[in-house]
Amino acid sequence: GAVVSQHPSWVICKSGTSVKIECRSLDFQATTMFWYRQFPKQSLMLMATSNEGSKATYEQGVEKDKFLINHASLTLSTLTVTSAHPEDSSFYICSARGTYYEQYFGPGTRLTVT
Amino acid sequence: AQKITQTQPGMFVQEKEAVTLDCTYDTSDQSYGLFWYKQPSSGEMIFLIYQGSYDEQNATEGRYSLNFQKARKSANLVISASQLGDSAMYFCAMREAYNTDKLIFGTGTRLQVFP
Repeated sequence: GAVVSQHPSWVICKSGTSVKIECRSLDFQATTMFWYRQFPKQSLMLMATSNEGSKATYEQGVEKDKFLINHASLTLSTLTVTSAHPEDSSFYICSARGTYYEQYFGPGTRLTVT
Repeated sequence: AQKITQTQPGMFVQEKEAVTLDCTYDTSDQSYGLFWYKQPSSGEMIFLIYQGSYDEQNATEGRYSLNFQKARKSANLVISASQLGDSAMYFCAMREAYNTDKLIFGTGTRLQVFP
């Protein structure tokens, strides 16, 4: 149980375009999902908390207009990187909250902006 | 503010031996949760074990156990009978504050298991 999928697993896009990443909880309902960013050999940096049916809560320093988050259902949250630039290249990981506040993570999406 | 500290950037252990990965935390909350995650080279974060601050016994999950010393604010992960597949990054995390969902992560420890 507690499986989270993420799609795509990797994506290459041109500078200035937008990219959408999907995060799905496959066998449980997730009222709360999270989006993280991870740079090579570093820890996870929380970008935002996504609650079903309401606006996401962004961490300080994260641009809301650049990283659009939509949690439209209890099993799906999406992150859209708008007008992507090379500095947005990173590993993006989503997670879904479990019963005891543990988080179940997706496999991650590696974004490369050229 | 809450903080997680992992002082070991890297650890080596021989196959079948036990290894302890250190984690200390700082919080003024009385109620909190501590977690350990494994991140193999594939990138996926795998939930290993959870310890609640009010749990009287140390958590165990198979070969993983959490050595919880509340007075010392430490939550070390013990892996018994290491296997080659245990080679990965290990992150300690804490639920930030009572009744919020956020986790804060330590900087991680890279464990390498050798034959």
